[in-house]
Amino acid sequence: EVQLVESGGGLVQPGGSLRLSCEASGFSFSSYSMNWVRQAPGKGPEWIAYIISSSSTIYYADSVKGRFTVSRDNAKNSLYLQMNSLRDEDTAVYYCTRVDTMILFHWGPGTMVTVSS
Amino acid sequence: EVVMTQSPATLSVSPGERATLSCRASQSVSSHLAWYQQKPGQAPRLLIYGASTRATGIPARFSGSGSGTEFTLTISSLQSEDFAVYFCQQYDNWPPLTFGGGTKVAIK
Repeated sequence: EVQLVESGGGLVQPGGSLRLSCEASGFSFSSYSMNWVRQAPGKGPEWIAYIISSSSTIYYADSVKGRFTVSRDNAKNSLYLQMNSLRDEDTAVYYCTRVDTMILFHWGPGTMVTVSS
Repeated sequence: EVVMTQSPATLSVSPGERATLSCRASQSVSSHLAWYQQKPGQAPRLLIYGASTRATGIPARFSGSGSGTEFTLTISSLQSEDFAVYFCQQYDNWPPLTFGGGTKVAIK
């Protein structure tokens, strides 16, 4: 069974940093591309980052480009999202998802990030 | 960027009735359209992909149709567990992947 579990969320002040992790199990993590998707309270989901299995190709949404960095460690079956220069509008639940032709079959339960002073 | 627009924002339906949800893309996405269901406090769950293919374990009362720019999700006979928010997502032209704003199916 595919399992994705995010961690690392919390309360952070504007301008601060946070690092999210996603631990994967139940599939060959090193064979799959991964996404980060976030969802602000009461809003639809927003795709924010994609990383290919080898880490050789990475894409970001314009809203996070230059501030967020996605990475992965295939030996640890883990995906990461380093978030810097956080803004109020980054407040959201952050999900990691496995990429299957960009259909999001599998989602983790999410981790909440709150940016507030 | 492909903009996805869902209507209506809220749909009030009685249990046992049919619900019809719409999703429109700002440009053609072929059949590269997925539907997700989300209940409070939970992650979205994939219902439909390829515009009309049900994901594993999804009941037959859920059906999807359409191609190009106009898509429909139909729930033939609403059960209590179907009251939720539904999102469409295109994966034809990315990055970015884009989602609609959602339709809330509420009890009438």
